[in-house]
Amino acid sequence: QQQVKQSPQSLIVQKGGISIINCAYENTAFDYFPWYQQFPGKGPALLIAIRPDVSEKKEGRFTISFNKSAKQFSLHIMDSQPGDSATYFCAASEYGNKLVFGAGTILRVKS
Amino acid sequence: DAGVTQSPTHLIKTRGQHVTLRCSPISGHKSVSWYQQVLGQGPQFIFQYYEKEERGRGNFPDRFSARQFPNYSSELNVNALLLGDSALYLCASSLRGLAGPYEQYFGPGTRLTVT
Repeated sequence: QQQVKQSPQSLIVQKGGISIINCAYENTAFDYFPWYQQFPGKGPALLIAIRPDVSEKKEGRFTISFNKSAKQFSLHIMDSQPGDSATYFCAASEYGNKLVFGAGTILRVKS
Repeated sequence: DAGVTQSPTHLIKTRGQHVTLRCSPISGHKSVSWYQQVLGQGPQFIFQYYEKEERGRGNFPDRFSARQFPNYSSELNVNALLLGDSALYLCASSLRGLAGPYEQYFGPGTRLTVT
């Protein structure tokens, strides 16, 4: 019940295209859903996050879509750039406690 | 402002030894969490500390311990190291651990290699 399932495992997108990464959860007590971006040899960097009282949040080229009834959320990267090539992790938590992470998606943006 | 800092950056230890990893949170943040990230996987929660008290513990053996100091910095200790302890150890800092805001900011990590 504590798992967060993330797909796809890897993704190749052309420059300028849309990258879409999906996550699903079971624990209905989760109330915070962040996305992290991680480059090789670095720590995860907080990208964008959403609470379950809204269905969408947009920050620049990054958008989170949230479907509470389906217990799913997704990250959309618009106008993907080679510099976006990294590993992306979704996560979830209850009341700001431990983050439960997905397995990660390796994104490669081809120029 | 400085972000989360961790030391050392890299560490090589032998099986059976112990190790101490250190973390300094973002100034003003009172909560520190530790995560283990094995290569190719997502981070796994180890401990959370808030106001110097343990607020959560993940599914790790008693060989793992941690503490938080009055200045909110933290140490993670691992005893009797096993090969499987080789990983990137991440520290995350947040403003408050019990109620919003919930954002956790990660440091660069300590790469531990056990031989």
